Amino acid sequence: EVQLVETGGGLIQPGGSLRLSCAASGFTVSSNYMSWVRQAPGKGLEWVSVIYSGGSTYYADSVKGRFTISRDNSKNTLYLQMNSLRAEDTAVYYCAREKPAAMASLDVWGKGTTVTVSS
Amino acid sequence: QSVLTQPPSVSAAPGQKVTISCSGSSSNIGNNYVSWYQQLPGTAPKLLIYENNKRPSGIPDRFSGSKSGTSATLGITGLQTGDEADYYCGTWDSSLSAGWVFGGGTKLTVL
Repeated sequence: EVQLVETGGGLIQPGGSLRLSCAASGFTVSSNYMSWVRQAPGKGLEWVSVIYSGGSTYYADSVKGRFTISRDNSKNTLYLQMNSLRAEDTAVYYCAREKPAAMASLDVWGKGTTVTVSS
Repeated sequence: QSVLTQPPSVSAAPGQKVTISCSGSSSNIGNNYVSWYQQLPGTAPKLLIYENNKRPSGIPDRFSGSKSGTSATLGITGLQTGDEADYYCGTWDSSLSAGWVFGGGTKLTVL
């Protein structure tokens, strides 16, 4: 079964760091485009970052320079390293796979992990 | 303020049809495929429509999508109470700040 499971969320003080993990099963992370998408409480979806199968990465302006997306091929896991966290980074963070052989569609989503930035 | 514009809410009676619009620009919808997502309360988004009008396996044909120029539309026929959810459009934006963009979401109420 194709599945994504996020872990690593929690309560963190402003300025702190956190690393989110997204473990994949049923497919290979390194062969796919993988994104992080977040959703602040009561708000809509906001794209955070993507890593392509070739290794190129892109970031939303709101997190550029603070967040880093990466993957561990041996663990078939996607990561999001979040530094200099701010209150506005509080959200549920989802990892998602872009549908293979299709354009601009996220076909597999994890259940999400909650990040709360507060003192 | 979301890059793609959706109505905040729509409503219709069970069995009826509803459409949800999504408006963008030439850097996103105008030059890329559109996808639609359903988010039931307390759950992760689920892909409903991809590449403007294709349905993943398991999605009933009550759901349809279309695109014209810089706008896209999601249609739902034969509304059921289980369709009450938030619906989001999304696409890739090819502007200088390249990345995925989403609409602000539309809350569907089945009266």
